[in-house]
Amino acid sequence: AQSVTQPDIHITVSEGASLELRCNYSYGATPYLFWYVQSPGQGLQLLLKYFSGDTLVQGIKGFEAEFKRSQSSFNLRKPSVHWSDAAEYFCAVGAYGGYNKLIFGAGTRLAVHP
Amino acid sequence: GAVVSQHPSRVICKSGTSVKIECRSLDFQATTMFWYRQFPKKSLMLMATSNEGSKATYEQGVEKDKFLINHASLTLSTLTVTSAHPEDSSFYICSAKKREGQFEQYFGPGTRLTVT
Repeated sequence: AQSVTQPDIHITVSEGASLELRCNYSYGATPYLFWYVQSPGQGLQLLLKYFSGDTLVQGIKGFEAEFKRSQSSFNLRKPSVHWSDAAEYFCAVGAYGGYNKLIFGAGTRLAVHP
Repeated sequence: GAVVSQHPSRVICKSGTSVKIECRSLDFQATTMFWYRQFPKKSLMLMATSNEGSKATYEQGVEKDKFLINHASLTLSTLTVTSAHPEDSSFYICSAKKREGQFEQYFGPGTRLTVT
């Protein structure tokens, strides 16, 4: 069965510093991978997605993610964090079968210090 | 675009009453909609999946008689929490998938339910 692990529950970075959020997935074939962001009390917004092709994916708000099959990872990165990036970040993998639902990781809460 | 709305954004109801939450896809047709529940500082828990014109598919452990889901049209799904109790208080989020989409889901802003 597909699963997603986000090892870091909480991360704090200084504004302007670089950021990397980790995501590991478990899936036999080529996965469909997503990163979503959730601000407090809000729904989820899609940051980026990977289906196939170039393993380095660019998303909105200056985020990018790299798919590494050998490491079963899809880490999210941003070169310079802004205070407005403070939020909860969820990695998800598509699960085939039925209605093709998404399997979410536990999430990583990002705090940004001025 | 792919905008999903939810109504209401916040609702307070008394224990024993029922409350209905609407989820609408505003600018696309959603053949499949999903309902999630999110506890504080936790991830999303999928409750059920609904397809237009058919019965919802509930995840294991979710009471289908308590959480009634109706997907009446290609742009509207409703979740009714029946005989609500304080333990039903939570953040409920819906999402919708386009007809041509395989996995990508578009999320609503969520509904905060408080049962007193």
